[in-house]
Amino acid sequence: EDKVVQSPLSLVVHEGDTVTLNCSYEVTNFRSLLWYKQEKKAPTFLFMLTSSGIEKKSGRLSSILDKKELFSILNITATQTGDSAIYLCAVEQGNSGYALNFGKGTSLLVTP
Amino acid sequence: DVKVTQSSRYLVKRTGEKVFLECVQDMDHENMFWYRQDPGLGLRLIYFSYDVKMKEKGDIPEGYSVSREKKERFSLILESASTNQTSMYLCASSSHRVNEKLFFGSGTQLSVL
Repeated sequence: EDKVVQSPLSLVVHEGDTVTLNCSYEVTNFRSLLWYKQEKKAPTFLFMLTSSGIEKKSGRLSSILDKKELFSILNITATQTGDSAIYLCAVEQGNSGYALNFGKGTSLLVTP
Repeated sequence: DVKVTQSSRYLVKRTGEKVFLECVQDMDHENMFWYRQDPGLGLRLIYFSYDVKMKEKGDIPEGYSVSREKKERFSLILESASTNQTSMYLCASSSHRVNEKLFFGSGTQLSVL
């Protein structure tokens, strides 16, 4: 059965810390891996990764994909309270009819 | 900016009622999706549609149906609501182009009493 597994499920850190969120996957016909941030409402898009070893970066957030070991990491440096959210990892498969297969998410709380 | 609009932010219904959740997108996207999100279970796909009048079952279609009569609108129907359908419902849309990301609505928190 195809699956996407995120770890840890929850995390509490202090402002200024660096965090690493993990996403491993076992799916057939992999096409892409996406990261979303969800605060109180709609998940908002962060990154889409399709190629191994190429880091995507946006401000203090960065992400990389390893297609050989079947995982991705999302790094957040110098965390701020505004980074508190659920971070969702999703995998797109070529035969899925465009639907995404989501992990359960990592709930991050950044304390002052 | 792409906008995916869900008609209700919060909804309270009684067991056995027929419930309609509406979703409209303004980007001429071909694909539309309904997910439900529950603590500890993440997002699970209920139904999706890749064209008008087309629909495909997702992972948990039981107890739900959908309607896509117009390209911009995708409705989720609970024929006879049950308490285990209390959940956050998220609508999303995307284009047919390869590697296009999903855009989500703000969600409808449905409580079935």
